[in-house]
Amino acid sequence: GIQVEQSPPDLILQEGANSTLRCNFSDSVNNLQWFHQNPWGQLINLFYIPSGTKQNGRLSATTVATERYSLLYISSSQTTDSGVYFCAVPSGTYKYIFGTGTRLKVLA
Amino acid sequence: EAGVAQSPRYKIIEKRQSVAFWCNPISGHATLYWYQQILGQGPKLLIQFQNNGVVDDSQLPKDRFSAERLKGVDSTLKIQPAKLEDSAVYLCASSRDRGSLAKNIQYFGAGTRLSVL
Repeated sequence: GIQVEQSPPDLILQEGANSTLRCNFSDSVNNLQWFHQNPWGQLINLFYIPSGTKQNGRLSATTVATERYSLLYISSSQTTDSGVYFCAVPSGTYKYIFGTGTRLKVLA
Repeated sequence: EAGVAQSPRYKIIEKRQSVAFWCNPISGHATLYWYQQILGQGPKLLIQFQNNGVVDDSQLPKDRFSAERLKGVDSTLKIQPAKLEDSAVYLCASSRDRGSLAKNIQYFGAGTRLSVL
């Protein structure tokens, strides 16, 4: 089945810093989603981005499907950005596979 | 619109007991998912329903886990008997589109945190 790896596994930033999170996948996909899981466990959909670039406030994402990776950019990070970031891609007809996650901590 | 509702939020049981979780998806969403998230890992799909039919339950431990989605709306996930390794967060998600992954954006509930002692 498709493999999804994320890097880095852990990231600590000072408030105001920028960061780039990466998601690599082993097979071609027609769908990719980025999620943020807050410290209380709630998973929030950030982007649906099978290809190209999207921006939402301080967050943006780029997927290069032909090279099998996606990037999530966080600019001017805030303490509320802390949590775990997951990418998820489809496997087969219906199943989603989540990546290993990047745990982000933003220090005040 | 209201989000995905799950209950209970927390549950503590002893091994070999049974437990049930409930999920109410977003109104109009045809597809419903149950995920298991063990501490430190990403969510793993247990079962996926499209309306009230199962489309994928390949990773559901069927000797102890069962799930149903009556009338294509609410769903329950049951574990009987529970084992220590079932300690995890159980997440329910729903999406609007019927069968196609192309625009199948998933919306998650807050989850049920299960501790098996």
